[in-house]
Amino acid sequence: GNSVTQMEGPVTLSEEAFLTINCTYTATGYPSLFWYVQYPGEGLQLLLKATKADDKGSNKGFEATYRKETTSFHLEKGSVQVSDSAVYFCALSLFALSGSARQLTFGSGTQLTVLP
Amino acid sequence: DAGITQSPRHKVTETGTPVTLRCHQTENHRYMYWYRQDPGHGLRLIHYSYGVKDTDKGEVSDGYSVSRSKTEDFLLTLESATSSQTSVYFCAISEPPHHSGGTSSTDTQYFGPGTRLTVL
Repeated sequence: GNSVTQMEGPVTLSEEAFLTINCTYTATGYPSLFWYVQYPGEGLQLLLKATKADDKGSNKGFEATYRKETTSFHLEKGSVQVSDSAVYFCALSLFALSGSARQLTFGSGTQLTVLP
Repeated sequence: DAGITQSPRHKVTETGTPVTLRCHQTENHRYMYWYRQDPGHGLRLIHYSYGVKDTDKGEVSDGYSVSRSKTEDFLLTLESATSSQTSVYFCAISEPPHHSGGTSSTDTQYFGPGTRLTVL
């Protein structure tokens, strides 16, 4: 079946440090890939996405490149801020469900804390 | 932010009691989903709806039922709550994939703020 594996957390960084959160996936086809972010007490917000190989998603200084050869979609940011502290989820969308709805398969999430 | 609200936001109940959670959207999106979030598991799909009165099971549907009598509302019911259903429940909405310039665009799911349910 499909699955998403994220690096274990929690991750603690100092402000302005470089961030990488690893994400790899297993899928029987060619999924779309997503990063969602969850701030404390809130729902998930879409951070970025990529729909085909070699696409780069970017938003708010975060980037991730869809690498089919390594089945990866690592999240990076050059200089993190305290406000980036949150839980980050990698997810894939592949199979159409009934009525062409889509199921998201999530990784377990990575807690990021950025210290001033 | 997508116009999605969930109610209640917090609930404590006892084992064996029925519980209904409500998801309300103002976006007129076709698809609606219920997920649960548990430590170490990310989010897992419980049930989803692809139109009014059209629903189907997700990967963790046992012990849950859903109903969608109008586009804007999607209800999740625990007929007889158990302690294993203590979780945070998220509703999501999306539109069908669309095609543009010969390429297909997958839908994106937008999430509500969540309901924290505790079953004692």
